[in-house]
Amino acid sequence: GEDVEQSLFLSVREGDSSVINCTYTDSSSTYLYWYKQEPGAGLQLLTYIFSNMDMKQDQRLTVLLNKKDKHLSLRIADTQTGDSAIYFCAENSNSGYALNFGKGTSLLVTP
Amino acid sequence: DADVTQTPRNRITKTGKRIMLECSQTKGHDRMYWYRQDPGLGLRLIYYSFDVKDINKGEISDGYSVSRQAQAKFSLSLESAIPNQTALYFCATSDPKQGDNTEAFFGQGTRLTVV
Repeated sequence: GEDVEQSLFLSVREGDSSVINCTYTDSSSTYLYWYKQEPGAGLQLLTYIFSNMDMKQDQRLTVLLNKKDKHLSLRIADTQTGDSAIYFCAENSNSGYALNFGKGTSLLVTP
Repeated sequence: DADVTQTPRNRITKTGKRIMLECSQTKGHDRMYWYRQDPGLGLRLIYYSFDVKDINKGEISDGYSVSRQAQAKFSLSLESAIPNQTALYFCATSDPKQGDNTEAFFGQGTRLTVV
């Protein structure tokens, strides 16, 4: 399938904000997701946004959606060392049968 | 107990051997998936199943087969393992009653090494 694009690496200092960007492929995607994968673990859903929204906030997490540009971002406020993980963007593509994942962004939080 | 359980968690096998990875779920979801994860490549879909009688190929099904033994069980087989099948394999489920929301619930993964 077509690629969901994410940058591969991001490094931030503890206490700063992190912004992870994603460009998705299917303008008809109705839901867009952010998953977190900690070392040695499976993927866990962090948050998702419905396509008729342009922003969703959940505690330290803010998701912004620009449908015109097919751009999704995840902002983590006051980033902690426990936020170090791989973050995956995903879309439910037009086929609707499965999620289409990006390659993942490795976030490293340094003290 | 985990809602989606994969066994084994780690496996080393030799080239040419047949191996089966198993997945069971207690979420009561009809949809189940197998993905593989490779560094820098993200997750790629191998097979998916919408119910016991419905099995579909994903984008990278060559060299793999699956069996949906029951609503709760979905196994992945490598008929003749080769080294480039060394990867982290994930089973996942989703609930079709959520409509367009295909949120996936993942197992902990099986790390497979083919030597």
